[in-house]
Amino acid sequence: GQSLEQPSEVTAVEGAIVQINCTYQTSGFYGLSWYQQHDGGAPTFLSYNGLDGLEETGRFSSFLSRSDSYGYLLLQELQMKDSASYFCAVTPFTGGGNKLTFGTGTQLKVEL
Amino acid sequence: DVKVTQSSRYLVKRTGEKVFLECVQDMDHENMFWYRQDPGLGLRLIYFSYDVKMKEKGDIPEGYSVSREKKERFSLILESASTNQTSMYLCASSSTRDSSPLYKAVTLWGQGWREQYFGPGTRLTVT
Repeated sequence: GQSLEQPSEVTAVEGAIVQINCTYQTSGFYGLSWYQQHDGGAPTFLSYNGLDGLEETGRFSSFLSRSDSYGYLLLQELQMKDSASYFCAVTPFTGGGNKLTFGTGTQLKVEL
Repeated sequence: DVKVTQSSRYLVKRTGEKVFLECVQDMDHENMFWYRQDPGLGLRLIYFSYDVKMKEKGDIPEGYSVSREKKERFSLILESASTNQTSMYLCASSSTRDSSPLYKAVTLWGQGWREQYFGPGTRLTVT
């Protein structure tokens, strides 16, 4: 099975850099994704790591290390609009590569 | 733009009632999913479907069933609602065909890249 752990809450100031960690225990997966969800909104896709290493998309970067069973989402130049919940998710080998198993979620609060 | 719609934003039902939650997507996606979201537990998969009339159990299927008679529509059914089914229910869809060509070309692991598109959610309260 899969189990993904994230810190429940992270607080940072506007303009700073913040890292949201995701540690997992899984029997095997294709890759690690990150989703963002604003209060009252639908989760939206941010990034995907199929290979180990860093993927960069604008202010957001995501990292995966399979040997360490660990990934993270890095948000730079934080803005107030980045206040949201962030979920990591793996695509397990089961389910034909179509389903996701989500982490517990991290609520990010950006302060002035 | 992909659009996933859910029949209600808020729903209040009584214990023992049969409850139907409907989800419709307009992008001809093969895969559809039902999740429930609870604080501190993240999103947990209830059921998913990869084709019409096909379904697979997710991680927490007990107390739920699903129906997919048409490609665009995926229904979640609570046969006899209970108070522990009070939750936010999220529907999502994804395409089997639509993996990033770049990822597919570069790596075997790219086939796992299936962006899921979520609906706005239904907050169900069972009293």
